[in-house]
Amino acid sequence: RKEVEQDPGPFNVPEGATVAFNCTYSNSASQSFFWYRQDCRKEPKLLMSVYSSGNEDGRFTAQLNRASQYISLLIRDSKLSDSATYLCVGGVSGGYQKVTFGTGTKLQVIP
Amino acid sequence: GAGVSQSPRYKVAKRGQDVALRCDPISGHVSLFWYQQALGQGPEFLTYFQNEAQLDKSGLPSDRFFAERPEGSVSTLKIQRTQQEDSAVYLCASSMGVNSNQPQHFGDGTRLSIL
Repeated sequence: RKEVEQDPGPFNVPEGATVAFNCTYSNSASQSFFWYRQDCRKEPKLLMSVYSSGNEDGRFTAQLNRASQYISLLIRDSKLSDSATYLCVGGVSGGYQKVTFGTGTKLQVIP
Repeated sequence: GAGVSQSPRYKVAKRGQDVALRCDPISGHVSLFWYQQALGQGPEFLTYFQNEAQLDKSGLPSDRFFAERPEGSVSTLKIQRTQQEDSAVYLCASSMGVNSNQPQHFGDGTRLSIL
């Protein structure tokens, strides 16, 4: 089983819709989580860190559920520019910050 | 620019050739990572440096892969006797500290094609 698992999608949603992605992690020692965004043929870019209490940044909300070992990303009022692959990342603190990336969830926002 | 810089952006090599990929991290960043990303996959960890020390090379696929960061800044990933399965995007990332709660900043990557 992969350490971090995501539904690869694609998720095709109309502009203005709300879409949510989940990501499960298998290592219960994981303490740090992030969502990265990767556009086609570009490098991953940090979208947001995921805090235990959940956090919101504009139209984006990230949540962590330690009991069920998953993190989620909610995008409200989807824009065409949100079309990208969203990478879930989990890290274990222990000497250094090794993190594991999921395979990514592809989102296509349709006009 | 102040970001992570990688070169070359594209590299085409014949099977059996050696290649060297360069990463210039953000100035002052202690941690440096190399990843390999195949099409449709997430980045896969290759190796990690803390300053000049290579603390983890567990992700290097074979002994043909070698990485160094001799002065704790610029890093080079070398692949000897390249094989077709080495074709991928090689990403370098750096972060300021050593804790997993600090995000990594990526370079544009080197797209390697082995013919």
